[in-house]
This record gives sequence, C-alpha cells and structure tokens, in this order.
Amino acid sequence: QKEVEQDPGPLSVPEGAIVSLNCTYSNSAFQYFMWYRQYSRKGPELLMYTYSSGNKEDGRFTAQVDKSSKYISLFIRDSQPSDSATYLCAISSHSSASKIIFGSGTRLSIRP
Amino acid sequence: EPEVTQTPSHQVTQMGQEVILRCVPISNHLYFYWYRQILGQKVEFLVSFYNNEISEKSEIFDDQFSVERPDGSNFTLKIRSTKLEDSAMYFCASGEPGGSILAQGQYFGPGTRLTVT
Repeated sequence: QKEVEQDPGPLSVPEGAIVSLNCTYSNSAFQYFMWYRQYSRKGPELLMYTYSSGNKEDGRFTAQVDKSSKYISLFIRDSQPSDSATYLCAISSHSSASKIIFGSGTRLSIRP
Repeated sequence: EPEVTQTPSHQVTQMGQEVILRCVPISNHLYFYWYRQILGQKVEFLVSFYNNEISEKSEIFDDQFSVERPDGSNFTLKIRSTKLEDSAMYFCASGEPGGSILAQGQYFGPGTRLTVT
C-alpha cells in the first residue's frame, strides 16, 4: 500500500469555481500535513501546513485533515488561471525535522 | 522573503563523471534535505542533514552519493559516478526547528536539472 495516494488528474475547471483536491495516507503515525504547489519545472512551493486534524484557512485556500479516515483535502475558492499548477499533498512525522513523503500530484487547470 | 537558492540550474554531464550540486539554504534553518524528481514522477526523499551529519537517508542514497556542508552557508550533494538513471531534478530544502507555527515546514529551492548522457 502506498504511503500517500493522490489522484493525478488532470482536473480542469472554469475560473471562479471551487476546487477540491484530495489525498489519502496509510500510516496513522504521521502528524504533519502539507500542500505544495509546483509549476512546471520549478520547485515545490509550500502552500498550507497543518498539524493533526482540523481545518486551516489562508485566503482562498482551506486545508482539511481527517485523521480518523486518513484523508487530506485542499479547497481553492474563486479559482484563478494563475492557480493552474500541480498540487502535491505531503505528510511528515515531524514539523521540519523529518523527511516529507509526497503524493504523486494532481495537475489542475483553470480555464478563463 | 528569504529563499533557498540552487546552482547550477541545469547541469549536463557524461555517464561516469562526478557532479556537485550546490544549495544555499535559508540562513536561520538547521535542517537540510535533498530530494529528487524524475520527469513525470513524484518527488522522492534522498537525505536529511542536521548538526553536521546525515540524520536519515533513503535507499536511493547509496555509496555514490554524499552530502557536505563545507561552510556556514552552502550545502552540497555530490554524485561520484553518474548513471543515466540519475537524470532528474534535484531539489534542496531547508527547515527550522518547530517554534512559530508560521515557520514550520520545509522550503524548497528551484532545483537543478541534471542530465546524464
């Protein structure tokens, strides 16, 4: 069983739509959950960082973690063409002192 | 805003040659990492480095790989004898100890694209 599973997409939505991106993970020992955004041939950019279960909001982005079902979500409100990128979910057992395990990424395209 | 930098952006080398990839982590960070991403595949962990020693390494990080922090600012990844399958994007990342919730997480550089011919 893969440690982190993510639907690779591609996902295409019209501008202004709400986007929902999801991942599942297998090991309940992980406590730190992240979403990174990656543009083509660039480095991953940290978008959202969550510890344990719950919601975290930052502008148009909301990250949600449900540890009971081992499910991670990222919601993007009022999506913009500039949001078009690959979104990587990631898990770690420590905030910044442990390796990150990445999902395969979901390619998102926002149509103007 | 502080950022991780990497040089070169693109390195082409012949099979069997040695390469050194360089990174300057964010200045107050204490944890350093190398990851790689083969084209079309997921980002994979290679090695973590803390307090001047390797703290964890993956199966990929075999005897052909080494890391070094030669001074207070640089962090390098050396591949002794490159193979075709080493062709990938190599990302350096850094992180600081937990404290301010805003500061947690790992921050990635732009990557070095390594092409082995």
